[in-house]
Amino acid sequence: GAGVSQSPRYKVAKRGQDVALRCDPISGHVSLFWYQQALGQGPEFLTYFQNEAQLDKSGLPSDRFFAERPEGSVSTLKIQRTQQEDSAVYLCASSLDRGINSPLHFGNGTRLTVT
Amino acid sequence: GQQLNQSPQSMFIQEGEDVSMNCTSSSIFNTWLWYKQDPGEGPVLLIALYKAGELTSNGRLTAQFGITRKDSFLNISASIPSDVGIYFCAGTISGSARQLTFGSGTQLTVLP
Repeated sequence: GAGVSQSPRYKVAKRGQDVALRCDPISGHVSLFWYQQALGQGPEFLTYFQNEAQLDKSGLPSDRFFAERPEGSVSTLKIQRTQQEDSAVYLCASSLDRGINSPLHFGNGTRLTVT
Repeated sequence: GQQLNQSPQSMFIQEGEDVSMNCTSSSIFNTWLWYKQDPGEGPVLLIALYKAGELTSNGRLTAQFGITRKDSFLNISASIPSDVGIYFCAGTISGSARQLTFGSGTQLTVLP
């Protein structure tokens, strides 16, 4: 596709359920990022992949959050035993290469609501 | 973590007016970026700045990387209705070059 694609667009989960959020980056993009955006706030960094390697996961808020990118393209962000504070928009972004000047292209996000 | 202080939080302006918003930090940033986010969409990059003192324009938008490397501003000239949205500053610090820190956003409303 032309841009970063995320699915589902909306997800409602009951507290305690596990969820999986998918990101399809732009074809050929080496770097992939996950961000969490709470209502009325700017996005906050969660984790970063270069190809299949997870190089930085310092932003993951707890061990309930897990991300993978096994073949260096599609990525999944999994949240186990969801809590109400996990409610947010989860944004995925990709960039063409590993250079710091390579711009990030964001998807439209998955809005997660935990009830 | 690192924090960016973005102001103002919101702005209401008349169509045709110029707009200015800024970000400051207590830390030195290596890059400054400005994004616009429309409802239900992801942020879209407007301008990227990579050197202290750099002044860059993109159409009606102008942004500057502060000489101290701790601040940046974005100006929009002759605002139009489609400028409505949330504007975010973002930056990277040394040692976390691939980790963007975002400000809390400026909500811009353009009145006809």
